This record gives sequence, C-alpha cells and structure tokens, in this order.
Amino acid sequence: GESVGLHLPTLSVQEGDNSIINCAYSNSASDYFIWYKQESGKGPQFIIDIRSNMDKRQGQRVTVLLNKTVKHLSLQIAATQPGDSAVYFCAENINDYKLSFGAGTTVTVRA
Amino acid sequence: ETGVTQTPRHLVMGMTNKKSLKCEQHLGHNAMYWYKQSAKKPLELMFVYNFKEQTENNSVPSRFSPECPNSSHLFLHLHTLQPEDSALYLCASSPPRTGGNQPQHFGDGTRLSIL
Repeated sequence: GESVGLHLPTLSVQEGDNSIINCAYSNSASDYFIWYKQESGKGPQFIIDIRSNMDKRQGQRVTVLLNKTVKHLSLQIAATQPGDSAVYFCAENINDYKLSFGAGTTVTVRA
Repeated sequence: ETGVTQTPRHLVMGMTNKKSLKCEQHLGHNAMYWYKQSAKKPLELMFVYNFKEQTENNSVPSRFSPECPNSSHLFLHLHTLQPEDSALYLCASSPPRTGGNQPQHFGDGTRLSIL
C-alpha cells in the first residue's frame, strides 16, 4: 500500500501569504525525502530534498521540515505567488532507486 | 525546461494497436524509470532500469514492454491495451547514487487515451 500521504488534497492561499503543505509517511527506515511541484500539462519538477540526518533545509522561498518522531514532512512556501499554483507531491525513498509518492495537494493561489 | 524529453506528448490508440513511447535524457544519468499517473492516484512506478539493466518490474501487465538500449534512451512498447490504461505516462532519470540519494528528474509525459 501507499506509504506516503498528504493531509489535505487541496489548499487555497491568498497571494503573498505563506503556504504550508503537509505529508505523513509510514516507513521509519526511509532516509531521503523529496518535494515535487507539478503544473498542468507538465511533469513533476524537483523543488527540494532532505536527508533523514537533517530536520530542516531551506531553498529559495521554500523550506522543508522533517519530524522523524512523528514521521511528518512539510513544505513551507514563503510569500506565495500565482506561479506557485500547482499540485505538490512528497516522495519517500523506500529502497535503492525506488520512490513512493503521495497523492498530492492542489494549491490554488487567490489574487 | 527539462533534460528529459518524451515523445509523443499525446497518443490516442485503439485496443488492438501497437505503439511505442520514447524517452530520452540528456543529463548523463544512469537510471531511468517509467511511471503511470492516473487521476486522483499517486504515481505508480512501473519499471526501473539501472545501467540498461532492468532492476524493477512492479507487477506490470505484459501488454507493457519496456526497452532500454542505452542509458540515455528508454522505450515503452504498448500492445493490446485496455481502457483503464488511459493515463499520463511519465519517464524519469536519476544519477548514480554514489555519495548518497539523488532526486529523479521527470519528463512532461505522454498523455495516452485508449479508445
């Protein structure tokens, strides 16, 4: 079955506000996690990753937080823009080259 | 802009047709993947190739036949598909794992419709 899941299928956010997208995983042995963004008509695009020896990692306007105690992953987007409207997936490395994906959260940015 | 190119972008075929999907990566990666993406479902891994060798077949029906002639090219041969096979088929690639895990990079997919 699916080992990675997102808490909410949709998220509506006002332009300029911060967004938080959550993800729960079930495999405590997973050591690598990735967030992807998928816009309409395109494939998933890599946003940011984090290894299990870290709790937090920052990129440009994005931050990923990893809480291994409760097996929870989140993606924070600062100052959300219209171009951030997309489906966001978390993925968990379960072995070798194999990733397990969540179903995705659709983020809609209101002007 | 993607370093993984998939063709065709759209394909409509009958259940008795034979067609092939093509994927090409220009990133120097060694591993390539086929995924199926259906509406409201997580990405489903179908096949994994590492240095041209198939390392994963995720219980995919034999009407899907992958081919990896070299580390830059990946094909998915389709034959006698069913309506439930209509989906977006995504190709991905990733670099060697020496030094740790690396993210997979995706193409924009082939939208397949089975009549």
